[in-house]
Amino acid sequence: NAGVTQTPKFRVLKTGQSMTLLCAQDMNHEYMYWYRQDPGMGLRLIHYSVGEGTTAKGEVPDGYNVSRLKKQNFLLGLESAAPSQTSVYFCASRSTLGTARNTIYFGEGSWLTVV
Amino acid sequence: QQPVQSPQAVILREGEDAVINCSSSKALYSVHWYRQKHGEAPIFLMILLKGGEQKGHDKISASFNEKKQQSSLYLTASQLSYSGTYFCGTGLDQFYFGTGTSLTVIP
Repeated sequence: NAGVTQTPKFRVLKTGQSMTLLCAQDMNHEYMYWYRQDPGMGLRLIHYSVGEGTTAKGEVPDGYNVSRLKKQNFLLGLESAAPSQTSVYFCASRSTLGTARNTIYFGEGSWLTVV
Repeated sequence: QQPVQSPQAVILREGEDAVINCSSSKALYSVHWYRQKHGEAPIFLMILLKGGEQKGHDKISASFNEKKQQSSLYLTASQLSYSGTYFCGTGLDQFYFGTGTSLTVIP
C-alpha cells in the first residue's frame, strides 16, 4: 500500500541551485497536486495536473515548474532555489471515480531548506 | 482564493466541545475536512457534497451551508487525540485548503 510517495524527504540546497522533487502515486488517480506549507499560511497550491501531459498554475507558481509525463508521476522543479522557497512540500493525488471519489491522498512531505 | 477558517487557534480541556468554521468568497461545490498532526501529512476526515448535508465521524461532525458558502466542523467531548491542525478544502480542478485551525486538547 504505497499510496503517494515523495522523494527526497529532506534536502538542503544552496541559493541558486536546482533540484527536482518527485511524486509517485500507484492509485491510478487522474488529478495530482503540489502544495507548500509554511507556518501560519496553511497549504498553498503551487501547480496541479488533471491528467497525463497536462499541468496548470495554482496560487503560488512563481519559481517552480512541473511536469506530468506519466500518469503516476508528478515532478516539481526549482530552477534557481531561493531562501523564500524554504518550506515543506506536499504532493497529493485525487480520485475522481468510485466510492473514494474526490478524496485527496497526501504524500509524507518533503522538507526543503535553502541557505 | 483560500477559504478562511476561524478561529485560528483554540485550546480545549478534555471533554469540551469546539466549532471550527470555514467560509469562502467563492461558491463551494463541496467541502472537505482534514486533520494534520505535527510533522505529518494531512489525513482525510470527511466530505460534504451538497448544501444542507451533515455528516458524522465518531464525535466529529460537519455541516455545509451552500448558500452562505460556509461549512462548520463540530468536535464534541474532545479527546487528547483530537489535537492537531484542521483544514477545510474545496475546489473542482484546482483544490484549495483553508488557512487552518490549530486545536490543542489538554488534560
